[in-house]
Amino acid sequence: GQNIDQPTEMTATEGAIVQINCTYQTSGFNGLFWYQQHAGEAPTFLSYNVLDGLEEKGRFSSFLSRSKGYSYLLLKELQMKDSASYLCAVLDSNYQLIWGAGTKLIIKP
Amino acid sequence: NAGVTQTPKFRVLKTGQSMTLLCAQDMNHEYMYWYRQDPGMGLRLIHYSVGEGTTAKGEVPDGYNVSRLKKQNFLLGLESAAPSQTSVYFCASSLAGGPTDTQYFGPGTRLTVL
Repeated sequence: GQNIDQPTEMTATEGAIVQINCTYQTSGFNGLFWYQQHAGEAPTFLSYNVLDGLEEKGRFSSFLSRSKGYSYLLLKELQMKDSASYLCAVLDSNYQLIWGAGTKLIIKP
Repeated sequence: NAGVTQTPKFRVLKTGQSMTLLCAQDMNHEYMYWYRQDPGMGLRLIHYSVGEGTTAKGEVPDGYNVSRLKKQNFLLGLESAAPSQTSVYFCASSLAGGPTDTQYFGPGTRLTVL
């Protein structure tokens, strides 16, 4: 079966750095997405990786290793507004998005 | 430019009742999707559409029907609601279904079936 694993919840301090991991086993791979979802709101796009390596976008970076079935989202200079759930999703061989359950990130002052 | 909108935002149904959720997008996107989101689980695809007049089943289609009569609208119907269909429903759209096409989500509909 297809499976995406993420930690359920993480806590970090304002101004610090946090890394959210995602491992996947899917039938084929056509890219990996990270979305941010604030409580009670819709998911919004953060990043897309299809090749191995690090993609940097401001305070957020996303890393992919296809051989290890592994990705992480790195958030720097954490702000209170970064408190949200972070969803990892993989595009499988049928171009269907398979979603992880999400990681709830709690930022403390 | 409203993006993706959903109607209604909240609804409470009794078991056996029917209802239709409406999704509208003004971005001229070809692809539209209906997901459900339950606590502790990832988003699960119910049905999707690759263009006006077409629909296809996703991962969890049972108990739901859809229609895409106009390109900008995607309707999700529950013919006979069951408590297991209590969930938050999200509609999304993308320009096409290619690997780099970002999905844009509506604000969600919170449905409770008693």
